[in-house]
Amino acid sequence: SQQGEEDPQALSIQEGENATMNCSYKTSINNLQWYRQNSGRGLVHLILIRSNEREKHSGRLRVTLDTSKKSSSLLITASRAADTASYFCATDGGSYIPTFGRGTSLIVHP
Amino acid sequence: GAGVSQSPSNKVTEKGKDVELRCDPISGHTALYWYRQSLGQGLEFLIYFQGNSAPDKSGLPSDRFSAERTGGSVSTLTIQRTQQEDSAVYLCASSLSRPPGTEAFFGQGTRLTVV
Repeated sequence: SQQGEEDPQALSIQEGENATMNCSYKTSINNLQWYRQNSGRGLVHLILIRSNEREKHSGRLRVTLDTSKKSSSLLITASRAADTASYFCATDGGSYIPTFGRGTSLIVHP
Repeated sequence: GAGVSQSPSNKVTEKGKDVELRCDPISGHTALYWYRQSLGQGLEFLIYFQGNSAPDKSGLPSDRFSAERTGGSVSTLTIQRTQQEDSAVYLCASSLSRPPGTEAFFGQGTRLTVV
């Protein structure tokens, strides 16, 4: 099934730096979502961007979407140790069922 | 409830036994999803319920897996004759509606270990 793939698989940065994660997908979408997962359990929704949108902001988060390249990026500015988590993009491939990639593991060192 | 509730949080079972995993979605959410996540992997879609429509079972890996949703609310995922490869975290999520696509709220999952 259609699936987003995040890049890089792992990212290690210092507190205060920016973190950028990318997501590529294969088929047309209605929307793309980003989620965070702490400690391998429940996911927390971060932001949803629709196919007709190019950029969205939420606090320290900035998401871009390029449907011509079938890619999205998540930027976390001024990172904090508490941002340490796995980040997933979820695409719906037109079916409205979110399908997830393998995620980016982010470590922010204090 | 305030959020999606899953039970049990942890389950250890012997190979060959049946298990039932429960999900209580957020009240009023018509869409319900089951996923599973193996260690260090992404989420694998299993099944999707939307209101009174027939569920989308396209992600169920074998006929040992089944799920039902009673009264449009609580859902139970059943795994029969469990195998070691069934060991994973099983995550349930619910959302308000299908189109145009809304955020999914996840439970904390059930960690299933088959020994």
